[in-house]
Amino acid sequence: AQRVTQPEKLLSVFKGAPVELKCNYSYSGSPELFWYVQYSRQRLQLLLRHISRESIKGFTADLNKGETSFHLKKPFAQEEDSAMYYCALRVRDNFNKFYFGSGTKLNVKP
Amino acid sequence: NAGVTQTPKFQVLKTGQSMTLQCAQDMNHNSMYWYRQDPGMGLRLIYYSASEGTTDKGEVPNGYNVSRLNKREFSLRLESAAPSQTSVYFCASRSSGASGGGTGELFFGEGSRLTVL
Repeated sequence: AQRVTQPEKLLSVFKGAPVELKCNYSYSGSPELFWYVQYSRQRLQLLLRHISRESIKGFTADLNKGETSFHLKKPFAQEEDSAMYYCALRVRDNFNKFYFGSGTKLNVKP
Repeated sequence: NAGVTQTPKFQVLKTGQSMTLQCAQDMNHNSMYWYRQDPGMGLRLIYYSASEGTTDKGEVPNGYNVSRLNKREFSLRLESAAPSQTSVYFCASRSSGASGGGTGELFFGEGSRLTVL
């Protein structure tokens, strides 16, 4: 069965510190992974996709199929990065369902 | 371009009452989804619609029904609300994949906060 695990409910770091939000998935097919972010009082929005291999707002994420992970990283956290982050797995062969992790709340302290 | 619009934003119900959450998208997307968001549990799929005229159950469909009225609209109905349905509900639509000129990502509404007393 498909599953996305985000082990940390809350991650607190100081401004300027590196941050890594962990995401592990289980899926027997070819995975497509996403990171979504929800800032306070805003709707969920796409942060980045593994397919595009881009850096958005200084964040990057690499798909590691061997470790079935898609961790989100940023070398220097900013206060405006404080938000709820969700890792999501898209399953193409099951009507494109998206499975979400339980989310990690990132708190960047000044 | 409004994207995905949900109504109402807030609703308080008594146990046993019924209500419908409305969702509309103006991006010409085929697929639409309803999720619920609960603390510590992330987003769980209630129902989805791969295309106009089709709907199917997600992970937590019990107590809900849906209607894909047309390509734009996808409504979620609670026939007899229960306290366990207190949650924030999100509607989403999905753009087509690369072959269709899109990114395949989900676009979300602002959410509807429902409290059942």
